[in-house]
Amino acid sequence: SQQGEEDPQALSIQEGENATMNCSYKTSINNLQWYRQNSGRGLVHLILIRSNEREKHSGRLRVTLDTSKKSSSLLITASRAADTASYFCATESYGKLTFGQGTILTVHP
Amino acid sequence: SQTIHQWPATLVQPVGSPLSLECTVEGTSNPNLYWYRQAAGRGLQLLFYSVGIGQISSEVPQNLSASRPQDRQFILSSKKLLLSDSGFYLCAWEGRSYNEQFFGPGTRLTVL
Repeated sequence: SQQGEEDPQALSIQEGENATMNCSYKTSINNLQWYRQNSGRGLVHLILIRSNEREKHSGRLRVTLDTSKKSSSLLITASRAADTASYFCATESYGKLTFGQGTILTVHP
Repeated sequence: SQTIHQWPATLVQPVGSPLSLECTVEGTSNPNLYWYRQAAGRGLQLLFYSVGIGQISSEVPQNLSASRPQDRQFILSSKKLLLSDSGFYLCAWEGRSYNEQFFGPGTRLTVL
């Protein structure tokens, strides 16, 4: 079964708005990663947060991790039409990644 | 810099035919290699991973097999394809000192 579950399954916003996606998982992890996938393409790594970290930033991305609640969130600030894609969280444990089902983000210009 | 290649990009095969998908990595040595399958609109399912030449671990029982004949080559195969083998197949590599994975462009397989 999938380790990570994302919420919402789909998100539609206007350019300039912030987008927040959430991920929940079930077991202990070494780190949690977020990936982006444009339609029909491979995945691109966005950001990694280790289990002993609570928050991490990269450009317009902000990731939080709450290991007590086994959850993470990805915030994209000031979204752009080019941010339209599917976003996946993946938990790493024992050297393997387990992916969630993803959130489809649509940013309207 | 490191690059990862997959081919073919798309493939349409009849049920019962064999399959061979190839993945190669350039610019790195001794990577961990992974095969994933992604059903339409779904997350990725790990099929196989390899930590070295000839070393293959299977995550789910299925109609597929994998081989790693060279350090930077990972092959996904089947002797007889099933309809349920249709999907988007992604290869990825991970360096020994990294935790992130780098994905290839994928192969879209349709079994008719």
